[in-house]
Amino acid sequence: TQLLEQSPQFLSIQEGENLTVYCNSSSVFSSLQWYRQEPGEGPVLLVTVVTGGEVKKLKRLTFQFGDARKDSSLHITAAQPGDTGLYLCAGSSNTGKLIFGQGTTLQVKP
Amino acid sequence: SAVISQKPSRDICQRGTSLTIQCQVDSQVTMMFWYRQQPGQSLTLIATANQGSEATYESGFVIDKFPISRPNLTFSTLTVSNMSPEDSSIYLCSVGPQGFGTEAFFGQGTRLTVV
Repeated sequence: TQLLEQSPQFLSIQEGENLTVYCNSSSVFSSLQWYRQEPGEGPVLLVTVVTGGEVKKLKRLTFQFGDARKDSSLHITAAQPGDTGLYLCAGSSNTGKLIFGQGTTLQVKP
Repeated sequence: SAVISQKPSRDICQRGTSLTIQCQVDSQVTMMFWYRQQPGQSLTLIATANQGSEATYESGFVIDKFPISRPNLTFSTLTVSNMSPEDSSIYLCSVGPQGFGTEAFFGQGTRLTVV
């Protein structure tokens, strides 16, 4: 069974601080995605990483896929209140379904 | 991309009753997925709905409790049957990924409270 361990599960920081969210597995994933979800909405894709060692940047967000394609991280620089939300990593399983991590609830206080 | 309309957005139901959630997609898709999510927590896959065949349920979920219909390539329903307070949750429908590395799209969810 493929599992994704996401940490931390809750993070409360001040505006301007940096943070990193981790997503780890003992299994190899063909691709890994990061989603962000706001209350009352469904998750929305932020990025997809497919190549081991890949780094993608989306403004203040930096995503990295591990060399062995078993882990990923999301780093946010100078967090803003608008970054508040639930962040979910998801891996494409060998059955074609998405496997989600436990989620990280981020609260950025002004 | 895909735009998914899900309704109702929320409902409060009496225990023992059933609620049917509808999911409409603006394009034809092969597979649709139904998830359950506790507020602030991750998504748990309930079942995969394919047009023209029975839905495939994940471990811990059964057809009698969560019957699914998939009458065409743009529509699906999930029914939560004989509800109890433990069924209170957010239910989301989704399409995708449709291929390697492609995006999944989600409805806005149905927040169900069973009293």
